[in-house]
Amino acid sequence: DQQVKQNSPSLSVQEGRISILNCDYTNSMFDYFLWYKKYPAEGPTFLISISSIKDKNEDGRFTVFLNKSAKHLSLHIVPSQPGDSAVYFCAASPSSGSARQLTFGSGTQLTVLP
Amino acid sequence: DTGVSQNPRHKITKRGQNVTFRCDPISEHNRLYWYRQTLGQGPEFLTYFQNEAQLEKSRLLSDRFSAERPKGSFSTLEIQRTEQGDSAMYLCASRRGHSPLHFGNGTRLTVT
Repeated sequence: DQQVKQNSPSLSVQEGRISILNCDYTNSMFDYFLWYKKYPAEGPTFLISISSIKDKNEDGRFTVFLNKSAKHLSLHIVPSQPGDSAVYFCAASPSSGSARQLTFGSGTQLTVLP
Repeated sequence: DTGVSQNPRHKITKRGQNVTFRCDPISEHNRLYWYRQTLGQGPEFLTYFQNEAQLEKSRLLSDRFSAERPKGSFSTLEIQRTEQGDSAMYLCASRRGHSPLHFGNGTRLTVT
């Protein structure tokens, strides 16, 4: 039972264009969402988060959008750069303060073409 | 901030052998997590410590798995009588309070 789903295993984008990575969740108890980036042979690195009280959070080139009614979130990267090529994981938890574990999606491999 | 350190980076073992992995969290982080990641999947939660207390264990953590965090500092994850299905990347993460998890680079286990 996958509670967090990333239905696109891969995405290719031209440098300078926008990258949009999508994530769907099924557990209505999830209240806090994060995106992690992972390079080969390294652990995941935190990128950006959003609480359910907001529908958008922005940090430089990265913006996360949350649609609670659709149980959907997306990560926008603009402009995309070759160094953004990595696997991106969406993750969710009941709250930011919860000591409970995160539930991760299966990841999307982003390739930014020069 | 030297980051979360995991050793060894790679471990190859024969089925039936025991293995132990070590994780050194970021020094001021009181919470430590173990995750497992298999090919094509995201990390899956195994267990969680707050200081030296193991507060939660996943159903994925069979009786062959044991984790410790003596004195609330480094942690070890031991797998007894390894099986081929245990082959995976084992990730350790730590955090202080409500901050996002900081992951180590993982230990890749191959059971032959």
